[in-house]
Amino acid sequence: NAGVTQTPKFRVLKTGQSMTLLCAQDMNHEYMYWYRQDPGMGLRLIHYSVGEGTTAKGEVPDGYNVSRLKKQNFLLGLESAAPSQTSVYFCASSYPRPENTEAFFGQGTRLTVV
Amino acid sequence: KQEVTQIPAALSVPEGENLVLNCSFTDSAIYNLQWFRQDPGKGLTSLLLIQSSQREQTSGRLNASLDKSSGRSTLYIAASQPGDSATYLCAVGDYGNKLVFGAGTILRVKS
Repeated sequence: NAGVTQTPKFRVLKTGQSMTLLCAQDMNHEYMYWYRQDPGMGLRLIHYSVGEGTTAKGEVPDGYNVSRLKKQNFLLGLESAAPSQTSVYFCASSYPRPENTEAFFGQGTRLTVV
Repeated sequence: KQEVTQIPAALSVPEGENLVLNCSFTDSAIYNLQWFRQDPGKGLTSLLLIQSSQREQTSGRLNASLDKSSGRSTLYIAASQPGDSATYLCAVGDYGNKLVFGAGTILRVKS
């Protein structure tokens, strides 16, 4: 049971380049999330999905797009990378019963935009 | 807007000490509170989840309490070990299990 797997683990981009981060979960979770973590700050929600074919904005969505074409996958796209998007990105998933279900996180993608 | 604060930001203790990490949140309308552990360069590992209707949860040497009305949670670590050294993150979840995180407490346990 792999849990939540993120690809790639590290990436360096030049300003203006585009890329897609892939998140895959094998726990049949309905809900999936993308967060970013910056030094000295807690994780902040970028976008989330409550099921296949659905997406919604989180706290810091600008500059990012997402897609959930399959239940097990959640993609995060950067169309034109900026240095401010240098961060560690985490994907998470959970069942839709927040009262008693924990969120499971991937190992993170460390992105540097130069 | 929900805000989560963790105190202290960093803590250094000798091995064997019992310690308490604090977490406070501004909006009591939460569905759960979760404590995570994060090792350097790694992902988040869930330690404890407390449902909004619960007062505490225990797992091994860890005990987490929740006082929703006052917007506070504590994580108690008994008999600390060097292997407990990590960053501890507190997060509160809403109806969609969207989490708002604190900035974390960096714990160092000295042998």
